[in-house]
This record gives sequence, C-alpha cells and structure tokens, in this order.
Amino acid sequence: NAGVTQTPKFRVLKTGQSMTLLCAQDMNHEYMYWYRQDPGMGLRLIHYSVGEGTTAKGEVPDGYNVSRLKKQNFLLGLESAAPSQTSVYFCASSLSPGQGPYEQYFGPGTRLTVT
Amino acid sequence: AQTVTQSQPEMSVQEAETVTLSCTYDTSESNYYLFWYKQPPSRQMILVIRQEAYKQQNATENRFSVNFQKAAKSFSLKISDSQLGDTAMYFCAFMKPYGGSQGNLIFGKGTKLSVKP
Repeated sequence: NAGVTQTPKFRVLKTGQSMTLLCAQDMNHEYMYWYRQDPGMGLRLIHYSVGEGTTAKGEVPDGYNVSRLKKQNFLLGLESAAPSQTSVYFCASSLSPGQGPYEQYFGPGTRLTVT
Repeated sequence: AQTVTQSQPEMSVQEAETVTLSCTYDTSESNYYLFWYKQPPSRQMILVIRQEAYKQQNATENRFSVNFQKAAKSFSLKISDSQLGDTAMYFCAFMKPYGGSQGNLIFGKGTKLSVKP
C-alpha cells in the first residue's frame, strides 16, 4: 500500500498562474482533506470531502477549489496564484468518524512557492 | 468554535530525560478526540497518540503518554527516555466525531522539540 500520495512534491508558480495538486489514497477512505501549513501557524483546513462527489469548505477556502470525482482522488486547484498562497500543502484521508479508532493519514506534502 | 493552544513554541531536553509538552483546548462538546502528531524534519505527519474524551484512562504508547484532564481542558504529552529521533515539531489536535465539521482536525501551532545528546 502506498497510503496517501501527493503530486507534485515541489512547484514554483508566477503570480496569476494556475495549477492543480493531486492527492491519491489507496485505503478506500471516505473522507479526504486539504491543509496548508505556514510557519508558526500549524495546519489549517482548506477544503474537505466526506465522499465521492461531495466537497465542503474548511477554515481557509478562499482562492482554492477542489473536486472529488473519484473516491480515491482529491484535487486542489489554484485558479490565479498569489504570493499569499506560498505554503506547504498536505492532503490527508480517513475513515468516517465513528468507524473505530480514528486517524487521519497524511501525504508527504507539496511545497508551493508563488513569486 | 473549538480552539487548541500550545503555549510552548520551543523546548529542549537531554537525551534519556523526560519532557512534557502542554496543550489546552476550548470546546463545548462532550464527545471528542484529542491527538498528538509528530512532524520530523522529513515533514511527514505521524500520529503519536490518540485519546477519546469518554475514556477516563490516559492513553499510552510505549515511551509516550498523555495526561488528559477533561474538566481543565488540558492534554499534555509526556515523552520518557527521550531519543535523538524524537526531535520534531509536535502538534496537538482536536476532533469532534459527530455533527457539523465532523472529522475535521483543529491543530495547535506546534511545539518544536530538540533532543540534545
């Protein structure tokens, strides 16, 4: 099992460019999440999904869009990148809460720099 | 809304000694989970320990244990016999399993722990 994988691992964008981050999980998890991590801020939730075809906003959703067309994939899009979106992005997945011991499994992260 | 506070931005400990990391949280929920995650320099987020609020017994995983004080809304992590590999950022996190935003983790800002030889 690969667990949770993220593509790409690093990316540099110019202001105004667009890109998509791909998250894939092979654990048949219903729930998937996108977080961003900034220095001194911990991890903050951007968007999440409780199942295929569903998405919802988290704490810091502005400037991002997501899609969950397949259960195993969760895509994070930046339509017009801004320097404030320079961050490390983490994807995570989990079973539904209440389905036993709860744990979110994290991908290795994507470092994005917007110049 | 729930909040998680880690009041120690940085800590250090000598190898083989014991260290305690603090975490407090604020919630009106009665049923919830608390977690400690470790993030070494590799950047990978690793679950260290998990505590269900309805369980009175403190969770333990090998050298890691917690002191869960529900009334005080405190959830500290004790690392015994510290090892160089314990050097990492440690994040405390809160999750409610039911209702709106179920399953979402709310993280503290982290404590950077350095284990010195």
